[in-house]
Amino acid sequence: DAGITQSPRYKITETGRQVTLMCHQTWSHSYMFWYRQDLGHGLRLIYYSAAADITDKGEVPDGYVVSRSKTENFPLTLESATRSQTSVYFCAGSDSSYNEQFFGPGTRLTVL
Amino acid sequence: GQQVMQIPQYQHVQEGEDFTTYCNSSTTLSNIQWYKQRPGGHPVFLIQLVKSGEVKKQKRLTFQFGEAKKNSSLHITATQTTDVGTYFCAGPLYNTNAGKSTFGDGTTLTVKP
Repeated sequence: DAGITQSPRYKITETGRQVTLMCHQTWSHSYMFWYRQDLGHGLRLIYYSAAADITDKGEVPDGYVVSRSKTENFPLTLESATRSQTSVYFCAGSDSSYNEQFFGPGTRLTVL
Repeated sequence: GQQVMQIPQYQHVQEGEDFTTYCNSSTTLSNIQWYKQRPGGHPVFLIQLVKSGEVKKQKRLTFQFGEAKKNSSLHITATQTTDVGTYFCAGPLYNTNAGKSTFGDGTTLTVKP
């Protein structure tokens, strides 16, 4: 769905570097979510946002920072990347915290 | 820890065979959602069930929500190669995660032509 876009699609970085993954929506979802997907673990929620300037932790927030100054953007920052943060990251949007979510195409991040 | 369990983790079938994946929750769910993720793709919403005992069909796919709203199933009749992918269930667990949906680990389906 073109409603949620993510950039970059692929990123290779080194341990200790700061990395920001971008998420942009063209729809008006009030809720936005960040997940990471690792083999055998399905989708794990990192952070979510109910509206602009409202964010909260999910299941695995350590090592990540989010912001949402505008409704349409929800960037995810790894302040000091570690190898364990190598994963595929998905951004999603929804009209609620518990109904259907629309996912972006994902960012494949490799931390060397 | 994970409170939405899916079984099996992997399923290999011959094209034309049926396939079922099961989703079980430790607590009551207010609704259950199903998503499909093709290899290399992103999860795509399939359906949402809300009522106890609800059954919904989408062509060859049949979705059920248990009477106690703690389990659900997805059944595919006569699988095709286009059914390949990972199927996830998700739902908001009462008193957990502030009402946000928790995803199961998924069932990965492979179909041999």
